[in-house]
Amino acid sequence: DAKTTQPPSMDCAEGRAANLPCNHSTISGNEYVYWYRQIHSQGPQYIIHGLKNNETNEMASLIITEDRKSSTLILPHATLRDTAVYYCIVSYGQNFVFGPGTRLSVLP
Amino acid sequence: GAVVSQHPSWVICKSGTSVKIECRSLDFQATTMFWYRQFPKQSLMLMATSNEGSKATYEQGVEKDKFLINHASLTLSTLTVTSAHPEDSSFYICSVGGTEGYEQYFGPGTRLTVT
Repeated sequence: DAKTTQPPSMDCAEGRAANLPCNHSTISGNEYVYWYRQIHSQGPQYIIHGLKNNETNEMASLIITEDRKSSTLILPHATLRDTAVYYCIVSYGQNFVFGPGTRLSVLP
Repeated sequence: GAVVSQHPSWVICKSGTSVKIECRSLDFQATTMFWYRQFPKQSLMLMATSNEGSKATYEQGVEKDKFLINHASLTLSTLTVTSAHPEDSSFYICSVGGTEGYEQYFGPGTRLTVT
């Protein structure tokens, strides 16, 4: 079973920030938090990952709480092309377990 | 990140036949590749882990004699669905391990339809 809990769906207005939450209350000390997204009928796309510190790259920012029991993926300026299913995964090593994810709809 | 390709992107085959799906790591050598399956409106499920030069490790409930995996080189892994049945119709996706950590990079997927 997936170790994460995510809302099944979210809407976001185009141009606004999209904040996608993820709960992982049973995360272990050496487990990373990964975020991927899957656009319809494509393979998942890597977005970002982190262990303890907040991370930022050209796609998104990852905010991890101090107790590491939850995290938030931030897409700073959502576009229509960001409409996808977003998966939050916690894992040590490469044994990924995908949950149902959050279906983000970016609305014009 | 790694660039991963899959071939074919979609395939239709008749029940009882076998079909081979290729997964290629285009820009680095991958000692480990992963095969996932995704049914409509469901999430990805790991089928097996493929290690170059050795036998694949299959997840519980996945028939190793039905889903043959060969990882003969550092850039190519193949999944052969033998004696395919309509219930094998699915979206098959491979991934390769990243070079900087434990992240994975996924291929575009192969849509298999068994008639």
